[in-house]
Amino acid sequence: GAGVSQSPSNKVTEKGKDVELRCDPISGHTALYWYRQSLGQGLEFLIYFQGNSAPDKSGLPSDRFSAERTGGSVSTLTIQRTQQEDSAVYLCASSLLGGNQPQHFGDGTRLSIL
Amino acid sequence: GNSVTQMEGPVTLSEEAFLTINCTYTATGYPSLFWYVQYPGEGLQLLLKATKADDKGSNKGFEATYRKETTSFHLEKGSVQVSDSAVYFCALSDENSGYSTLTFGKGTMLLVSP
Repeated sequence: GAGVSQSPSNKVTEKGKDVELRCDPISGHTALYWYRQSLGQGLEFLIYFQGNSAPDKSGLPSDRFSAERTGGSVSTLTIQRTQQEDSAVYLCASSLLGGNQPQHFGDGTRLSIL
Repeated sequence: GNSVTQMEGPVTLSEEAFLTINCTYTATGYPSLFWYVQYPGEGLQLLLKATKADDKGSNKGFEATYRKETTSFHLEKGSVQVSDSAVYFCALSDENSGYSTLTFGKGTMLLVSP
């Protein structure tokens, strides 16, 4: 079956523009996570979805970052008024519900802010 | 808070050499422990996991044992191949009410030469 799919794979944009990153999780996976991978900070948790609700948004770095999930499936991470420090690889993962379920990752979106 | 510390890389080995990548953690409670691998240009793949003390996770010739007394989860492989060249991430799950936010180490790059 298909794995986690993310699009676009690469995104280059100018500082101050808004960007949307998309994640298609594995079918049937209720849990969805966004992480950010950057050179200075390593891999950081951003937000967790259970179904369409986000009970844990503790990792979002500022109010410029938001995310939504619809139909218990596709999720979109939106970054408004992008800054150069937002440049990173944004990774999405999905899993079955449960504390120790392994997370399955997509290939990520490499975001570059000029 | 929770944290994971990995040995810094790159680790450079010749084919068929023995591999150890050290990982230690700090956590409250009893987390699950994971090793993920990231091949160039790809997302993270789960390599192995252990959910309780003294468990040994294994996959593709790699092994790691959950050592609660030393808070460690070192990755080992008896004979590495060129195809094992990748970045390896140690991670723990921070179980919260039925879901698991992953806390990652900074990653260790492994380079295997023929």
